[in-house]
Amino acid sequence: RKEVEQDPGPFNVPEGATVAFNCTYSNSASQSFFWYRQDCRKEPKLLMSVYSSGNEDGRFTAQLNRASQYISLLIRDSKLSDSATYLCVVISDSSYKLIFGSGTRLLVRP
Amino acid sequence: NAGVTQTPKFQVLKTGQSMTLQCAQDMNHNSMYWYRQDPGMGLRLIYYSASEGTTDKGEVPNGYNVSRLNKREFSLRLESAAPSQTSVYFCASSEARGLYEKLFFGSGTQLSVL
Repeated sequence: RKEVEQDPGPFNVPEGATVAFNCTYSNSASQSFFWYRQDCRKEPKLLMSVYSSGNEDGRFTAQLNRASQYISLLIRDSKLSDSATYLCVVISDSSYKLIFGSGTRLLVRP
Repeated sequence: NAGVTQTPKFQVLKTGQSMTLQCAQDMNHNSMYWYRQDPGMGLRLIYYSASEGTTDKGEVPNGYNVSRLNKREFSLRLESAAPSQTSVYFCASSEARGLYEKLFFGSGTQLSVL
C-alpha cells in the first residue's frame, strides 16, 4: 500500500462547479499536510497548508480528518485556470520525511 | 528574485554517458533536494542536503551522486546514465527541514536516456 494515495482522475467539471479531492495517508504519526498545485510540464507550487481545524483561502478549503486518515481539498466556483494536477504532501513527525501523492488531475471545461 | 534555478531544461543522453544537473537558489535556504517525477509515481526523493556540508540518500539514490557546493548550489550527477533514469528532475529548496517545511521548486529538467 502506498503511504499517500490519491485518485489520479481526471476530474472533468464545468466552470462554476464545486469539486473535491481526497488524499489518504497510511502513517498515523503524520503531522503536517499540504496541497501543492502542478500545471502541465511545470514545477509544483505550494497551494495551501492543511490545519487540524481546517482552513480556507478564497475558493479553496482544505480539511483534515485524522480519524479516517485523509485530507481533502474543496474548490468552489471552478475556473478554467484551476485546471492542473493537485498533489498532497504528508510529513511524518519522526523523520521530517515529505511524502508526495501521485496527484489528482482536474480539468475545468468552459 | 530568481528563486530556484536549475539547468539544463532538456537533455538527451546515450546509455553510459555522464552528466551533471545544476541547481542554485537565492533565498538563503538551508535545505536542498533533488526529486524525480515519473508518470503515476509522484515525486520521489533522490538525495537531499539538510544544511551546507551534509548530504543524505533519499528514496531512490542508486545511480546518482550529489554535491552541496555551497549554501546556494546543489548538483546532481549521473555517472553512467541508464534508460531507467529517463524522467523529469526537480531541484527544490526550503528554509529548513521540519514539520512545516515548504518547498520551492526549480522549473525542472526533462532527461531522456536512449
